[in-house]
Amino acid sequence: DVKVTQSSRYLVKRTGEKVFLECVQDMDHENMFWYRQDPGLGLRLIYFSYDVKMKEKGDIPEGYSVSREKKERFSLILESASTNQTSMYLCASSLILTDTQYFGPGTRLTVL
Amino acid sequence: ELKVEQNPLFLSMQEGKNYTIYCNYSTTSDRLYWYRQDPGKSLESLFVLLSNGAVKQEGRLMASLDTKARLSTLHITAAVHDLSATYFCAVGGAASKLTFGTGTRLQVTL
Repeated sequence: DVKVTQSSRYLVKRTGEKVFLECVQDMDHENMFWYRQDPGLGLRLIYFSYDVKMKEKGDIPEGYSVSREKKERFSLILESASTNQTSMYLCASSLILTDTQYFGPGTRLTVL
Repeated sequence: ELKVEQNPLFLSMQEGKNYTIYCNYSTTSDRLYWYRQDPGKSLESLFVLLSNGAVKQEGRLMASLDTKARLSTLHITAAVHDLSATYFCAVGGAASKLTFGTGTRLQVTL
């Protein structure tokens, strides 16, 4: 079974802090994704990566950056957290870009 | 810009009844996915539909795709409480990105 893990289930940070969310997958998938999920808005793609050190902007990249130094790990970085970034963050991976995406358990981030 | 609409947004149904969730999308796509999310949990893949007329079934759930109408349906047969969850459709778009619907929260009551 594909396993996608995220570093924290719950995280509380203060406005202006730098925040790192980590995602690891164990199935040698080429592609990894970061989404945020908000009530009434569904899932929105922040960034995705189709190879090590490669990244593409999704629909809402503003205020976020990503890093993929190793194939199995994809990090989401909030350079200066703001209250409107309070959300559930979901990581996903897929073997190829058109394949089913497998999701991690999510990190519920609260920015105070 | 690809837009995906699901309806209804909330569905309360009795055990044993049948119902359908609809997923409409705005531009041509060659793949559509259905996911399930339980409260506090992550998304679980249910179905992948890759061609016009595709139909997939698993237990009491059946998904179909009509690419000409840009419509997918998720049909629930004889609902049971265990099916209570939020169901999302997601449509493949440009640059292999997925666009998700807002979800349908299904509540099955005894």
